[in-house]
Amino acid sequence: GAVVSQHPSWVICKSGTSVKIECRSLDFQATTMFWYRQFPKQSLMLMATSNEGSKATYEQGVEKDKFLINHASLTLSTLTVTSAHPEDSSFYICSARRGIPLHFGNGTRLTVT
Amino acid sequence: GNSVTQMEGPVTLSEEAFLTINCTYTATGYPSLFWYVQYPGEGLQLLLKATKADDKGSNKGFEATYRKETTSFHLEKGSVQVSDSAVYFCALSSDRGSTLGRLYFGRGTQLTVWP
Repeated sequence: GAVVSQHPSWVICKSGTSVKIECRSLDFQATTMFWYRQFPKQSLMLMATSNEGSKATYEQGVEKDKFLINHASLTLSTLTVTSAHPEDSSFYICSARRGIPLHFGNGTRLTVT
Repeated sequence: GNSVTQMEGPVTLSEEAFLTINCTYTATGYPSLFWYVQYPGEGLQLLLKATKADDKGSNKGFEATYRKETTSFHLEKGSVQVSDSAVYFCALSSDRGSTLGRLYFGRGTQLTVWP
């Protein structure tokens, strides 16, 4: 069964609003979670590494003020897309690390209108 | 640095055909290697993995062998089914320092199997 739960699975929002995506590890504690973004017909791009109890580490070119990551507990990380714009429309996927990071959420399809 | 180069698709096959999707990598240290599968509209599912040289990962009829000498991890299946239609990603996981646990993905290969 799924060991990483991502919610919501899809969301439509208006331009200028903020959207929060949750990633939960269901039966283990994840000190590290990873957030990826996937453009249509392309590979996954790592956005940031989320560390419990500390600030996230963002990849080069990812705006930390736009993509806010909070890893408040050992089982929950959230990604908030602030002031969303149509170009933020994408598929966002989280991964939780238990040993080797094998476990992915089912992804969130974000559409900004 | 770490990177994965994967055969570009799309790949179109008839049912029961033989499948090979090539994957090569560059890495520092001793990475673990993975194949993930993504069905339409879904997240990634681990298909198989290998953690050291000469290991063979296998699952659902798919196989891949970790070849250190050729830095490759090619995915094979002897007889594909329509239900295998998906995007396949080759990936490696670093075993070092600040990048420990991070996954590096290939660009993905779209497989379509026709009945």
